[in-house]
Amino acid sequence: GENVEQHPSTLSVQEGDSAVIKCTYSDSASNYFPWYKQELGKRPQLIIDIRSNVGEKKDQRIAVTLNKTAKHFSLHITETQPEDSAVYFCAASMTGTASKLTFGTGTRLQVTL
Amino acid sequence: KAGVTQTPRYLIKTRGQQVTLSCSPISGHRSVSWYQQTPGQGLQFLFEYFSETQRNKGNFPGRFSGRQFSNSRSEMNVSTLELGDSALYLCASSLEVAPGQGGEQFFGPGTRLTVL
Repeated sequence: GENVEQHPSTLSVQEGDSAVIKCTYSDSASNYFPWYKQELGKRPQLIIDIRSNVGEKKDQRIAVTLNKTAKHFSLHITETQPEDSAVYFCAASMTGTASKLTFGTGTRLQVTL
Repeated sequence: KAGVTQTPRYLIKTRGQQVTLSCSPISGHRSVSWYQQTPGQGLQFLFEYFSETQRNKGNFPGRFSGRQFSNSRSEMNVSTLELGDSALYLCASSLEVAPGQGGEQFFGPGTRLTVL
């Protein structure tokens, strides 16, 4: 089955700096790649997603890039703020939808003042 | 619009017992997925239901089962509970705008199950 690896497991950045989280997937049939943010004690929330027919997508301070050849995708957060502190999960699906997602192991992002 | 709701929020059971968890999706959403979240294994897909049919299934033993009702509400059942079943069980719903073109997946708050 699909396997998603996520790095780093923890990331500490200063406020205003950029943060990058990387994921690799194993199955070339995967075609939908969402990113979720989970704050302590709360439910995961979708922050951005990308489909396999797109190489890059941006939403304000957040961007995701996809390299299908290398089978990896990355989350970029610019001008980080303390409220960006959370655990971020990448995921992949072969269904073209959020069905049957395989998640990465998560990255704990800490934004310090 | 009300979000995804799950009941109960917390549950304590003993080994060997069975448990039923409930999930009410966002109105109009016909896809409901279930996930198990643990510190060691992370978020793992259990199964997905769409229009009362199980559409996708993860790699969990047959002790884990589910169903979906005509109003899209879903239940999952775990029989013969084991200590390792202690986890946060999350359900999520999404609106499928066209076959293979699902919308954003919204998670519920989860049910925290503790098996003693």
